[in-house]
Amino acid sequence: GAVVSQHPSWVICKSGTSVKIECRSLDFQATTMFWYRQFPKQSLMLMATSNEGSKATYEQGVEKDKFLINHASLTLSTLTVTSAHPEDSSFYICSAPRGAAYEQYFGPGTRLTVT
Amino acid sequence: KQEVTQIPAALSVPEGENLVLNCSFTDSAIYNLQWFRQDPGKGLTSLLLIQSSQREQTSGRLNASLDKSSGRSTLYIAASQPGDSATYLCAVLIQGAQKLVFGQGTRLTINP
Repeated sequence: GAVVSQHPSWVICKSGTSVKIECRSLDFQATTMFWYRQFPKQSLMLMATSNEGSKATYEQGVEKDKFLINHASLTLSTLTVTSAHPEDSSFYICSAPRGAAYEQYFGPGTRLTVT
Repeated sequence: KQEVTQIPAALSVPEGENLVLNCSFTDSAIYNLQWFRQDPGKGLTSLLLIQSSQREQTSGRLNASLDKSSGRSTLYIAASQPGDSATYLCAVLIQGAQKLVFGQGTRLTINP
């Protein structure tokens, strides 16, 4: 089946630094990818839609200058959390749709802890 | 605005039982519906996808049905096993949109 990878799987950073998370579609091309955030024991919250070759579309309430998204190729999207603060600590998951059925495949997630 | 609801929020059953998880959505104009499984600290694994023109899909011990007119889907798990313990999420893709709308999930525990 289709595989989506994320790197790193977990990261600890200090407050005020920036962290980049990569999302790759390993065996298919994805012109669109999605970034989600998940708090403990809660469902996924869509942050933004990443579009290859154009600007990302952010959901209401998500700061575009804080969560920078770059979709540089058909297999790679990156999410950069800039000037991270402890409240940015969360589980970040990406997904990519495949095929005419638009079936979504999710990455394994990245656990971010900001100290 | 599309809203997706999953009932129950949590379910605990003994091993070997057959069980049904429920998902309802408010707007029947959907492109497809997916059922996912999420283990603690992990990403989502796609279990079944039902397109809007389909009524059900089966994979092994799993069977998912879709009744678009009533805004309901069920996930049937036969002969449950402890390894089935996880959170199950349903999500609908709205027609004309790219975004999935998720339910809050059902946390399933299968007791040996």
